[in-house]
Amino acid sequence: NAGVTQTPKFQVLKTGQSMTLQCAQDMNHEYMSWYRQDPGMGLRLIHYSVGAGITDQGEVPNGYNVSRSTTEDFPLRLLSAAPSQTSVYFCASGRALNEQFFGPGTRLTVL
Amino acid sequence: QKEVEQDPGPLSVPEGAIVSLNCTYSNSAFQYFMWYRQYSRKGPELLMYTYSSGNKEDGRFTAQVDKSSKYISLFIRDSQPSDSATYLCAMSVDTGNQFYFGTGTSLTVIP
Repeated sequence: NAGVTQTPKFQVLKTGQSMTLQCAQDMNHEYMSWYRQDPGMGLRLIHYSVGAGITDQGEVPNGYNVSRSTTEDFPLRLLSAAPSQTSVYFCASGRALNEQFFGPGTRLTVL
Repeated sequence: QKEVEQDPGPLSVPEGAIVSLNCTYSNSAFQYFMWYRQYSRKGPELLMYTYSSGNKEDGRFTAQVDKSSKYISLFIRDSQPSDSATYLCAMSVDTGNQFYFGTGTSLTVIP
């Protein structure tokens, strides 16, 4: 099992650019979620999914879109990157929303 | 007021010491309590998972929940240099609800 994989590991964007952060899991978990981690703020939930075709907003959803067409994949799209979106992004999956296994993270810098 | 408060530290202890890490929370509806360990530049990994009040032990780790005081603790016995990491508490109301993280406590165990 590869667990939760994320690509890319690092990314630098210019303000206004768009991009997609990829997340995949091979554990057949129904729940998948995206978090961002910022110094002094802890981990904050962006969006989550309870199964293919079902997504919902978390604490900080603005500026991000998600879709879940398969159980395995849960990409996060940044529509128009802003410097405030500079962060480390973690994807997670699990059997429940409060039992999550995290990926290695994507470090994003927006200039 | 944040949902979950956690002293960021840093905490530095000699090898073999007993470590106590703590979080307080404001939402009395929280019933699920988790501790995650995060090594530098890695994703969080689930250490302990408890439901409602009481203690749970796993090897050198003990998690305690005191719902009357809205206070949770993680104890690490016989601490090792490999325990050096950031420890995050997290909690949720239900398995289907998002969980809220503390900001993390940085721990260094000195050989």
